[in-house]
Amino acid sequence: GAGVSQTPSNKVTEKGKYVELRCDPISGHTALYWYRQSLGQGPEFLIYFQGTGAADDSGLPNDRFFAVRPEGSVSTLKIQRTERGDSAVYLCASSLNIASGRETQYFGPGTRLLVL
Amino acid sequence: SQQGEEDPQALSIQEGENATMNCSYKTSINNLQWYRQNSGRGLVHLILIRSNEREKHSGRLRVTLDTSKKSSSLLITASRAADTASYFCATDIRGGSNYKLTFGKGTLLTVNP
Repeated sequence: GAGVSQTPSNKVTEKGKYVELRCDPISGHTALYWYRQSLGQGPEFLIYFQGTGAADDSGLPNDRFFAVRPEGSVSTLKIQRTERGDSAVYLCASSLNIASGRETQYFGPGTRLLVL
Repeated sequence: SQQGEEDPQALSIQEGENATMNCSYKTSINNLQWYRQNSGRGLVHLILIRSNEREKHSGRLRVTLDTSKKSSSLLITASRAADTASYFCATDIRGGSNYKLTFGKGTLLTVNP
């Protein structure tokens, strides 16, 4: 079946602008995660959704970052007043559920955000 | 902060040789996973090893886990040019939220034809 998809694949914006990044998880996956990966680093956790609710947003760097998942499927990561330091690849992942704690997270191809 | 640290940072080998990458972590874990990433984009899950397991195999991959040393190794046997990628270990922390993966900085593997 289809994997996790993310749009756009690349986004170039100017400092101070607002951006939205979209994630379509694998159908039937209730858990959804956002990670951010800077150049030369591993992915860093941002936020986790179980269904519609954000169960853990402790990784969001500040209040300019916000994410929603209104119907428990597609999620949007929103960044206000973008800064050059926000430039990174934003990765989305989904998993079937977390009940066992061992569910594999399946990653999308990422959105490469460049803030000029 | 990053829990895991891969070693070496970069590894270059010839096709057909074996590649070994290591990962060390700091706190007790539930599970440790290895992922592959091509061209800085999406990660592909390779293998998961639980904290009570010591070794696991999947095709040409062999993963070991030593919880006393807080370390893991990934061995790729009979490497191919297509194995060229970055490899990351990821842990979820015992007693913490076991959905939150913490990644290392990765090992860049280059397999020369």
